[in-house]
Amino acid sequence: ELKVEQNPLFLSMQEGKNYTIYCNYSTTSDRLYWYRQDPGKSLESLFVLLSNGAVKQEGRLMASLDTKARLSTLHITAAVHDLSATYFCAVDDRTSNYQLIWGAGTKLIIKP
Amino acid sequence: DVKVTQSSRYLVKRTGEKVFLECVQDMDHENMFWYRQDPGLGLRLIYFSYDVKMKEKGDIPEGYSVSREKKERFSLILESASTNQTSMYLCASCRTASYNEQFFGPGTRLTVL
Repeated sequence: ELKVEQNPLFLSMQEGKNYTIYCNYSTTSDRLYWYRQDPGKSLESLFVLLSNGAVKQEGRLMASLDTKARLSTLHITAAVHDLSATYFCAVDDRTSNYQLIWGAGTKLIIKP
Repeated sequence: DVKVTQSSRYLVKRTGEKVFLECVQDMDHENMFWYRQDPGLGLRLIYFSYDVKMKEKGDIPEGYSVSREKKERFSLILESASTNQTSMYLCASCRTASYNEQFFGPGTRLTVL
């Protein structure tokens, strides 16, 4: 059974700092997705990582995928308050009709 | 841009009522999904559909049914609502199973009294 673990689950940080959220998964998959959810809102797709070594960047966020280590990272550079949200990673489960298996989410609070 | 819409943002129903939640996507996506999201439990898949009139159970289908009569529309039905079905319901769609970037609707917050 494919499992996806995110850590940390909660992160409080100061503006201007750098930090990384980790997403580990338990079986072979080469497709990983990152989403953002603001409080009371729905999920928004951030990044789609489709192969080993894939790196995507959008503003202060950068995501990468290492399929051999079964690890994806979401790196935040010089955090700003607007990035406060809950971030989810999800992995394709090819044994289950390509359902997405979701991590529990990382709640990120960035203090001014 | 892909647009996924849901029929209601907020809904209050009474125990035992039949509840319909509707979802429409406008990008000709093959796959559609219904999730529920509860604090501390994350996202849980209720049902999904990979074609018109086709459906598959997700992780928590009990107490729910679905209907997909047209490609763009996927309905979630609570046959007899119960208080433990109070939750945020999220609909999503994706182009195909082989490209599973899912686009979400705004969500329906359902309260069952």
